[in-house]
Amino acid sequence: SQTIHQWPATLVQPVGSPLSLECTVEGTSNPNLYWYRQAAGRGLQLLFYSVGIGQISSEVPQNLSASRPQDRQFILSSKKLLLSDSGFYLCAWSPTLAGYTFGSGTRLTVV
Amino acid sequence: AQSVSQHNHHVILSEAASLELGCNYSYGGTVNLFWYVQYPGQHLQLLLKYFSGDPLVKGIKGFEAEFIKSKFSFNLRKPSVQWSDTAEYFCAVNKGYGGSQGNLIFGKGTKLSVKP
Repeated sequence: SQTIHQWPATLVQPVGSPLSLECTVEGTSNPNLYWYRQAAGRGLQLLFYSVGIGQISSEVPQNLSASRPQDRQFILSSKKLLLSDSGFYLCAWSPTLAGYTFGSGTRLTVV
Repeated sequence: AQSVSQHNHHVILSEAASLELGCNYSYGGTVNLFWYVQYPGQHLQLLLKYFSGDPLVKGIKGFEAEFIKSKFSFNLRKPSVQWSDTAEYFCAVNKGYGGSQGNLIFGKGTKLSVKP
């Protein structure tokens, strides 16, 4: 069966520190992968999407970057975190028109 | 800019009350429409979706939604809510599958609290 793994579940990082969040998908190949951020009162905002290895599209300019080193691995990174990067980060994949499957999310608090 | 609007930030209902959550989108042309639900401490889950055909869509747990193209709306309904329906509900839209067309644009969400 197809599953999506996302870690860590929670993270507290100081301002200016680096970030690396990882997402992996099992049971499928060549999925479309997405990173969303859910900030309080602002819904879900699409940050990055990828249609294949090494192919990253950014939806909003920001302090974050994404990479897809392997077909089923999607990484969200930052060199220096800002307070405004706090939020709930969700990875998702989209196998078909049936919609997305979301990971369990990472709660990031920048202090 | 393309957007999805959910009219209510927080809805509080008693058990057995009827529910309707509003969702409007600003895209032109053909769209796919979704409602997702996030129960406390759980993943986002697909509640129902509309791609084409009958504009009245039935989803899991007794939920349904009606696509009204002329009103650019996709409101979520349930005739009688239960305490277990307490969750946050998100409306989402995309324009297809593949590349950027498949990107889901979400509304800000509506928090539903059902009092036992």
